[in-house]
Amino acid sequence: DTAVSQTPKYLVTQMGNDKSIKCEQNLGHDTMYWYKQDSKKFLKIMFSYNNKELIINETVPNRFSPKSPDKAHLNLHINSLELGDSAVYFCASSFRIPTADNEQFFGPGTRLTVL
Amino acid sequence: QKEVEQDPGPLSVPEGAIVSLNCTYSNSAFQYFMWYRQYSRKGPELLMYTYSSGNKEDGRFTAQVDKSSKYISLFIRDSQPSDSATYLCAMTPHTGTASKLTFGTGTRLQVTL
Repeated sequence: DTAVSQTPKYLVTQMGNDKSIKCEQNLGHDTMYWYKQDSKKFLKIMFSYNNKELIINETVPNRFSPKSPDKAHLNLHINSLELGDSAVYFCASSFRIPTADNEQFFGPGTRLTVL
Repeated sequence: QKEVEQDPGPLSVPEGAIVSLNCTYSNSAFQYFMWYRQYSRKGPELLMYTYSSGNKEDGRFTAQVDKSSKYISLFIRDSQPSDSATYLCAMTPHTGTASKLTFGTGTRLQVTL
């Protein structure tokens, strides 16, 4: 299946721990994104990479560190997890070359719960 | 105040009804407007896309943009239970690399039999 995939789907962890979420896309896209969706469904961009280069870096605590080993993968590492980090994290990808619909394709999400 | 405002609902309508979903925004630089549909426990998927002002129709869905009022709408005709989802509006000043989308909070729609 051509898609954006994320692992794990669910992540439950204690405050203070460090965790990683992985994302892979096989759509041939050059640009990948991380979004955070809070309990009120508000979806906000965190980071974007184009061909392994960071191009969007919103005001996010530096406990969050994205890493793109190649243009098909974008991982998110979170240090010293806090209660407020509990949310659903979505990975997305899009074509680098502008397209008429500017579509971003989203993964299924990783539901992170910090206890 | 958020850049994009959207009534969270929930909005409950009977099957066959016409549904109107709306967003207002404050940033006049927004040029590209999108509607995403998100089913429960899934990622958002693009439903409609419009550029600048005007209407766009795709089957039972019509998207309208009124830039002078900073107001966009999505109409769903002959609504079906399968339309039950959260609808997120999104917008951006430009397309292409680093096209940062700003989303509304989403409106939850429930279409009942």
